[in-house]
Amino acid sequence: EAGVTQSPTHLIKTRGQQATLRCSPISGHTSVYWYQQALGLGLQFLLWYDEGEERNRGNFPPRFSGRQFPNYSSELNVNALELEDSALYLCASSPPQDTGELFFGEGSRLTVL
Amino acid sequence: AQSVTQLGSHVSVSEGALVLLRCNYSSSVPPYLFWYVQYPNQGLQLLLKYTSAATLVKGINGFEAEFKKSETSFHLTKPSAHMSDAAEYFCAVSPNGGFKTIFGAGTRLFVKA
Repeated sequence: EAGVTQSPTHLIKTRGQQATLRCSPISGHTSVYWYQQALGLGLQFLLWYDEGEERNRGNFPPRFSGRQFPNYSSELNVNALELEDSALYLCASSPPQDTGELFFGEGSRLTVL
Repeated sequence: AQSVTQLGSHVSVSEGALVLLRCNYSSSVPPYLFWYVQYPNQGLQLLLKYTSAATLVKGINGFEAEFKKSETSFHLTKPSAHMSDAAEYFCAVSPNGGFKTIFGAGTRLFVKA
């Protein structure tokens, strides 16, 4: 069974540009979560999508947005990039019978210059 | 509201020594509790989880954790550290399988030869 896959692995952008990160959940999983892991700041919850709808978002500005597609894959968009957006962005998925366990991808490393 | 506190951002042990990583939680309802491990430049991998069955939970790679309700603790232990255990470890709490898993700040484990 394939795990959670994320692309790209690495992405380099400059300030003011836009970044798009993609995530494919495990087959059968309907929820997708996005986390930001910046250096020294631990895991910060960004967004939760379930059945195509945004269910909850963390304390991030509106320039962080995303969506979930009918096949449950998801993308995270970050507009007007700032230097402090440099981080590892982790996607996780969970099955419909939610026990709180999250299945993580390898992450996308975003560097903003 | 749920919260997780990991005592010690860095722990250093010698190879073969006991590993003890501390985690305390607060939760208004009986929680699901998790330990995840993150190797450098990788996503998080589930080590073990407590879901209100046995209070002593065994995980992968020889790790185990004991749920102590009276102490609101879920400390992670391993009898004998191996060099390959060097990684960052995250404790997490999820209220009854709810959507929002709360992560601790993480503890980086160093293993000395």
